[in-house]
Amino acid sequence: EVVLTQSPGALSLSPGESATLSCRASQSVRSSYLAWYQQKPGQAPRLLIYGASSRATGIPDRFSGSGSGTDFTLTISRLEPEDFAVYYCQQYGSSSYSFGQGTKLEIK
Amino acid sequence: QVQLVQSGAEVKKPGASVKVSCKASGYMFTSYYIHWVRQAPGQGLEWMGMINPNGGSTIYAQKFQGRVTMTRDTSASTVYMELTSLRSEDTAVYYCARLSTVVTPAFDYWGQGTLVTVSS
Repeated sequence: EVVLTQSPGALSLSPGESATLSCRASQSVRSSYLAWYQQKPGQAPRLLIYGASSRATGIPDRFSGSGSGTDFTLTISRLEPEDFAVYYCQQYGSSSYSFGQGTKLEIK
Repeated sequence: QVQLVQSGAEVKKPGASVKVSCKASGYMFTSYYIHWVRQAPGQGLEWMGMINPNGGSTIYAQKFQGRVTMTRDTSASTVYMELTSLRSEDTAVYYCARLSTVVTPAFDYWGQGTLVTVSS
């Protein structure tokens, strides 16, 4: 099973700043099989990025994904108040799926 | 519009079973796999397995094999997830989620979640 490790565990930033979230895999992941989600308290996760770098429908362009192999990044530029949430990466491989443990993005 | 609507909260005793439903609408039910993901209180997301509504084939995460069964009723556009031999660690919100495509697999629509509480 592929283990995804996200860093940092928590990130404290102010609106208007940029956030860089990391997702590292225990073995190589096909880029097309890497996704990112946002989850707010009491809500289901929301798909942000699929295929490592493609934005899902309705996702603002301040969200961008990049990376390949074992290292992937979610960048959020010009943070808005509604962006403060928990972010998860997720991968598919060998008929199994796994999620990272999440990064909590907090308002400073 | 695409919707996944899940059944309501459940309270179960240790050793019992729970069956959660997920009714799909707004798209062709048999064209997209449905997955189940759970989230224990204050914890992250955990993948449990998937069902192909077209034919009913399933794949379960190793951790849940032998305790989980996923089925579907195509006439009702509904999938079910049954978890047996419940223990306190199974207390969680259970989500169903639709897989977008097999080319770039991601969960594009989610149910609202069903809280299952296991307590004596």
